Formats: sequence, structure tokens, C-alpha cells
Amino acid sequence: ETGVTQSPTHLIKTRGQQVTLRCSSQSGHNTVSWYQQALGQGPQFIFQYYREEENGRGNFPPRFSGLQFPNYSSELNVNALELDDSALYLCASSSDRGVSPLHFGNGTRLTVT
Amino acid sequence: GNSVTQMEGPVTLSEEAFLTINCTYTATGYPSLFWYVQYPGEGLQLLLKATKADDKGSNKGFEATYRKETTSFHLEKGSVQVSDSAVYFCALSDRNTGNQFYFGTGTSLTVIP
Repeated sequence: ETGVTQSPTHLIKTRGQQVTLRCSSQSGHNTVSWYQQALGQGPQFIFQYYREEENGRGNFPPRFSGLQFPNYSSELNVNALELDDSALYLCASSSDRGVSPLHFGNGTRLTVT
Repeated sequence: GNSVTQMEGPVTLSEEAFLTINCTYTATGYPSLFWYVQYPGEGLQLLLKATKADDKGSNKGFEATYRKETTSFHLEKGSVQVSDSAVYFCALSDRNTGNQFYFGTGTSLTVIP
């Protein structure tokens, strides 16, 4: 069984730039969620994708956007990067949209300078 | 709304000591409750879960009981090992209020030989 994989593992960007993070879901999972984890904090929900459509969104501005592809992999795009966007971005897959446990990747560490 | 409150860390214990990490929650519906563990440089791993009141989740010697009357889900282990050193997150998911998981801020545990 293949777990959740994320790329890249680390990324350094400059304020104002755009970034794309990628995630491959665990085999058999059709739902992907993205979380932002600031240093010393718990993960905060960004959004969830189910069958290629956004299926719930947390308190993040529209410059955070995403995609899900037919093979259930996903991208997180962040435009106009700000210093506060520096965080660990976690992708998690699950077998349905509801309360099934999330299976996390190891994350992408984004640093904005 | 939904939220999770965890005891402040960090927690430092000697090997074979008893562990309790307190977690209380607020939920508008009937949540499922989870404990996740995060090792350095990694994503979150599901440790255990409970889906209804009085359920006990258990895994790797860790246990937690879903207490609806006290809105609590405290994590316990009778004898910790050095390998248990990690950050522990309590979380809830409530199908009635959307698809996101709500995480506590995490409790860092260090076990010394």
C-alpha cells in the first residue's frame, strides 16, 4: 500500500511569488485535504477536495487554491506569498469526505523570505 | 463551534513513567475523536481513535476513552519508552459541521532514559 507522498520537501520563495505544492494520495483514497502547520501549532484546515471539486474550505484567503486530478492526486497553489505563509504544508488523504481518519504525508516546508 | 484544547507542554518523563496528556473538546454535533503523533521531520500519524461516547481507542500501549459527560479524550500510557518522544495532537472531526479536522496545539513529550 502506497502512502501519501508530497513534493517538494523543502522550498524557499520570495514574498510576492507564487508556489505550487503537490500531493499523491494513498491508494484507495478519493479525498484529499490540505493543512497548514505553523511552527509550534496544530494543523489548520485549508480545504478539501473530493472527486475533483472543492468540498469544504477553512479560513484562508482566495490566494490559496487547489486542484484534484482524476487519479486523486492534488495540488495546492498559493499566490502573492506573504511572510506569514511560511509553514509546513500537510496533505492528507482519506477514504471518504467525512470522519474517516486522515493519512498524512511528511509535508512540504515552505519558507518565504 | 468546534475546538480542541490540550494541556500545555513540554512534558518530560523518565522511561517507564506513567503518561497522561489531557484533551478537552467543544463540538456542536457528535464528533469522532483522534490522537495523532508527529515525530521530528515527519507528518502526523494516526495513533488511535474513538467514534462514540464511552468508546476506548488503543494502540501501542496508548489508550484514550471518549467521555461525553466531561467532553474529554485524555491520552494515557502506563510505561513510556524513549521511542515515544514526539509531539501528540488531539483532534476531532464532526460530519455535521463539515469535513475538516480540528487539532489542538500539540503536546511535546520527551522521555529520558
